[in-house]
Amino acid sequence: ETGVTQSPTHLIKTRGQQVTLRCSSQSGHNTVSWYQQALGQGPQFIFQYYREEENGRGNFPPRFSGLQFPNYSSELNVNALELDDSALYLCASSETSGFTDTQYFGPGTRLTVL
Amino acid sequence: AQSVTQLDSQVPVFEEAPVELRCNYSSSVSVYLFWYVQYPNQGLQLLLKYLSGSTLVKGINGFEAEFNKSQTSFHLRKPSVHISDTAEYFCAVSHNAGNMLTFGGGTRLMVKP
Repeated sequence: ETGVTQSPTHLIKTRGQQVTLRCSSQSGHNTVSWYQQALGQGPQFIFQYYREEENGRGNFPPRFSGLQFPNYSSELNVNALELDDSALYLCASSETSGFTDTQYFGPGTRLTVL
Repeated sequence: AQSVTQLDSQVPVFEEAPVELRCNYSSSVSVYLFWYVQYPNQGLQLLLKYLSGSTLVKGINGFEAEFNKSQTSFHLRKPSVHISDTAEYFCAVSHNAGNMLTFGGGTRLMVKP
């Protein structure tokens, strides 16, 4: 059974650019959640996708957007990058979006904005 | 809205000593509670979770946690730590609207020989 994978591992961008991060969910999982983890802090919920529809969103501006594909993989897009967007971006998948379903996390993508 | 407070940002402890990592939460609805561990340069791994039933929950790697509703706490304990337990530990909550997680700020456990 393949776990959650994310690409790329590291990424460096400059302020104002756009970035796309990718996540492959664990086999059999139809729900993907994205979290932002700033240095020295706990992860913060960005949004969740369930069967290709956005299922919930945290307190992030619209320049953070996402997609989920028919195979349940997902993308996180960030436009007009700001210095404060520098963080580890974590993807997590679960069997469904139900409250009993455990989220399994990928290793993350570390984004540095210069 | 819900929030999670991890009272200690760092906990140094000697190998084979017991440890407790504290977690308090606030919520206006019933919550479900989790502890995750993050090793350096890795993602999060689930240690244990409380959904219902017995308030004492046992997890992987010898960890356990106790849900205390009156004190709104979910402290993590291990009777004897190893060097390999050195990591960042995160407490998190969700509620019955779904499994989106609200995390605390984390506690860095530093096990010394």
